[in-house]
Amino acid sequence: NAGVTQTPKFRVLKTGQSMTLLCAQDMNHEYMYWYRQDPGMGLRLIHYSVGEGTTAKGEVPDGYNVSRLKKQNFLLGLESAAPSQTSVYFCASSPGTAYGYTFGSGTRLTVV
Amino acid sequence: GESVGLHLPTLSVQEGDNSIINCAYSNSASDYFIWYKQESGKGPQFIIDIRSNMDKRQGQRVTVLLNKTVKHLSLQIAATQPGDSAVYFCAEWRAQIIIFGKGTRLHILP
Repeated sequence: NAGVTQTPKFRVLKTGQSMTLLCAQDMNHEYMYWYRQDPGMGLRLIHYSVGEGTTAKGEVPDGYNVSRLKKQNFLLGLESAAPSQTSVYFCASSPGTAYGYTFGSGTRLTVV
Repeated sequence: GESVGLHLPTLSVQEGDNSIINCAYSNSASDYFIWYKQESGKGPQFIIDIRSNMDKRQGQRVTVLLNKTVKHLSLQIAATQPGDSAVYFCAEWRAQIIIFGKGTRLHILP
């Protein structure tokens, strides 16, 4: 049972490039989330999904898009990367409301 | 605005002593709280949770206390060990998402 798997683990992008971060969970969880974590800023919610085919904006959605075409996968896209998007990105999933999240191990993204 | 926050960004504790990490919340309607532990280079890991109909919940070496009157949450770690060195986040469920505090870094002194 792998839990929540994020790929890639590390990536360096040039300003203006695009990329997609993949999150996969094998726990049949309904809810999935993308957070970013910056030094001194804690975890900030980018986008989330409460079921297959649904997405919603979080606290810091600008510059990102997401898709949840399959229940087990939640993709985070950066269309035109900016240095301000340098961060560690965490995916998480939950069975539903008022249950703890299970987090992935993170993707460290650097935009130069 | 409403938020979940921690009182101290850093806490240093002697190995073997008990650690107490505090958290204040402002949303009186909150009914589910969670503590997470994040070790360096890893994702946050669920430690323990508590619902608003409880005042105390115990796990293995950890206890969470909830004081709804003053909207205060604490995490107690018994007999702190080097492996407890990490950042600890309190978190609160709101609607369909979890709101995280900024975290307290726990340093273990030999």
